[in-house]
Amino acid sequence: DGGITQSPKYLFRKEGQNVTLSCEQNLNHDAMYWYRQDPGQGLRLIYYSQIVNDFQKGDIAEGYSVSREKKESFPLTVTSAQKNPTAFYLCASSIASWELFFGEGSRLTVL
Amino acid sequence: GENVEQHPSTLSVQEGDSAVIKCTYSDSASNYFPWYKQELGKRPQLIIDIRSNVGEKKDQRIAVTLNKTAKHFSLHITETQPEDSAVYFCAAYKGGNQFYFGTGTSLTVIP
Repeated sequence: DGGITQSPKYLFRKEGQNVTLSCEQNLNHDAMYWYRQDPGQGLRLIYYSQIVNDFQKGDIAEGYSVSREKKESFPLTVTSAQKNPTAFYLCASSIASWELFFGEGSRLTVL
Repeated sequence: GENVEQHPSTLSVQEGDSAVIKCTYSDSASNYFPWYKQELGKRPQLIIDIRSNVGEKKDQRIAVTLNKTAKHFSLHITETQPEDSAVYFCAAYKGGNQFYFGTGTSLTVIP
C-alpha cells in the first residue's frame, strides 16, 4: 500500500528539548516537504527537498532542521531554538512538483 | 514571493445548496492552482486543480474557475452533501517547489 507515513501522531516536548518527527514515503517521489499548520493559518513551508542530500529552507525554517539521506525518508527536527513549536506538522511528497501527497500529520505540544 | 488570500474563512450551507470559495493571488507567474480538502483529523487531499492555460474545469459536483487577469480562482461545489463538510485550502504554484496556501475555509453542510 503506497503512501506517506508520519510518526509519531502525537508528541509532547518539554521546553529546551529537541524532537524529531519521522516521515517515510514509498511512492518513489523525488520531492518531499514539511509544512506547519496553525489554526486560522494556511500551510506554511518549513523545508523541502528535491533530491537526496539536498534541501532548501522554506518561509519558516528558523528553529528547524532536516536531513535527506535516503529518497524515502525526510525527518524533521524541531530544535529548542523554535520559540513556538506547538503545532500540527504535515509531511508531503510529490512527483514533478504537481500534486502533493500528504501524511496524516504529527501534533506536537510543548509542555 | 506570493500571497494567497482565501474567503470566507467559514461557510455554512444547507444540504443541496451550492458553496463557493474564492482565492486571490498576487504573482502573475503562478501557473498551477490546486484545491485540497482536509476532513477532521485526516490528511489534506487534492480534489481538483487547474492550470493557467484553462479557464474552467469540472469534476462531477465540483468545479474550479480561473481568472488570470483578475488573479483569482474559485471552487464551486453544487448539490452539497454532509460529507462535503471539511476544511478546503486553495494554493498557488509558480515553480521552485513552493506552493503557497490560503488560510482555509471551514465548510459545514447542514442536513
